[in-house]
Amino acid sequence: GAVVSQHPSWVICKSGTSVKIECRSLDFQATTMFWYRQFPKQSLMLMATSNEGSKATYEQGVEKDKFLINHASLTLSTLTVTSAHPEDSSFYICSAIPLAGASYEQYFGPGTRLTVT
Amino acid sequence: AQTVTQSQPEMSVQEAETVTLSCTYDTSESDYYLFWYKQPPSRQMILVIRQEAYKQQNATENRFSVNFQKAAKSFSLKISDSQLGDAAMYFCAYRFSFYNQGGKLIFGQGTELSVKP
Repeated sequence: GAVVSQHPSWVICKSGTSVKIECRSLDFQATTMFWYRQFPKQSLMLMATSNEGSKATYEQGVEKDKFLINHASLTLSTLTVTSAHPEDSSFYICSAIPLAGASYEQYFGPGTRLTVT
Repeated sequence: AQTVTQSQPEMSVQEAETVTLSCTYDTSESDYYLFWYKQPPSRQMILVIRQEAYKQQNATENRFSVNFQKAAKSFSLKISDSQLGDAAMYFCAYRFSFYNQGGKLIFGQGTELSVKP
């Protein structure tokens, strides 16, 4: 099956620093990748849609200058949390839609836990 | 705007019994997909079952089946012969068509399912 990886799986950073999270489709090319945020015991909230070679589309209420998304290739999207603060601590999940595949297919990464101290 | 509602924050079922998780949604689209995802403690999202809106027949995957009522905008999940491994958070999700909003997903609030031995 199609595999999506995320790196790192867990990161701890100090308040005010930036941290980058990678999302890779390992065995397929992805036209579109999505970034979600999930707080404990809550649902996944879509942050942004990332398309290769173009600017990301952010959901309402998501600060685009704080959550920088770059989709530089058909297999890699990155999320950079800039000037992180403790309230940014959360679980971040990416998903990817294959370039070639059934129209309903979407595959999720295992998630990245971010802790800001 | 499209919304997905799961009104059961928690459900419990005895092992080998049957349980039904509820989901309602709101949309003005005619072409869309609905999904049930399972999120175990590892937090990896696992696709349980999908339903294409244009199909009248309810989807079935082994012990998992759905009751899709398009006019009522209802999409419930039935788990038969429940197993201890079924214990997890279950999310109902609505997927926009790819040509509208790029195939993004919106999730319900989730239902925490526990299975009693």
